[in-house]
Amino acid sequence: AQSVTQLGSHVSVSEGALVLLRCNYSSSVPPYLFWYVQYPNQGLQLLLKYTSAATLVKGINGFEAEFKKSETSFHLTKPSAHMSDAAEYFCAVNTGTASKLTFGTGTRLQVTL
Amino acid sequence: EAQVTQNPRYLITVTGKKLTVTCSQNMNHEYMSWYRQDPGLGLRQIYYSMNVEVTDKGDVPEGYKVSRKEKRNFPLILESPSPNQTSLYFCASSLGPGVNTEAFFGQGTRLTVV
Repeated sequence: AQSVTQLGSHVSVSEGALVLLRCNYSSSVPPYLFWYVQYPNQGLQLLLKYTSAATLVKGINGFEAEFKKSETSFHLTKPSAHMSDAAEYFCAVNTGTASKLTFGTGTRLQVTL
Repeated sequence: EAQVTQNPRYLITVTGKKLTVTCSQNMNHEYMSWYRQDPGLGLRQIYYSMNVEVTDKGDVPEGYKVSRKEKRNFPLILESPSPNQTSLYFCASSLGPGVNTEAFFGQGTRLTVV
């Protein structure tokens, strides 16, 4: 079975600092990985997705993620945090069954002045 | 505007009183799913549908029913709600079965069962 693990349920960074949100996956087949963001009182919005075309994936709002097969990781980064980045972030893997997404437990990002 | 619409956004009900949460999408997507979100557990799939009249169980289907009579609608039915079904529910749709297909999510329905 495929799964993802997000390390750190809460991450706090200062405005302007590097954002690093960790995601490790477990998969017996080449995975298709996603990062979603959930702003307060809203649904989930796709940030970026890995589909094997390129290992470094650029998404919206300045976020990017790098697929590292040797480390089974798909960490999300942003060079400089902004107050508007405060949200909950979910890593997910598509299991290949009817477009089912298996989500990690989420990481809440806090951005402080 | 492409969107997935859920109603209601907030619902408080009593144990055992049947309820339905509606979900509608305007993107002509074949695939639709229901998820529940609980603190520390992320999102877990309840049911999914691959097309009209085709539905199947996800990871946590107990206590829920769904139907897919029209392509755009995928209601979630709780025949006899219980307090452990208090949760945040999301409907999602996607174009097809491809593993790299993006899922679009509704705004969520926060359900409280007392």
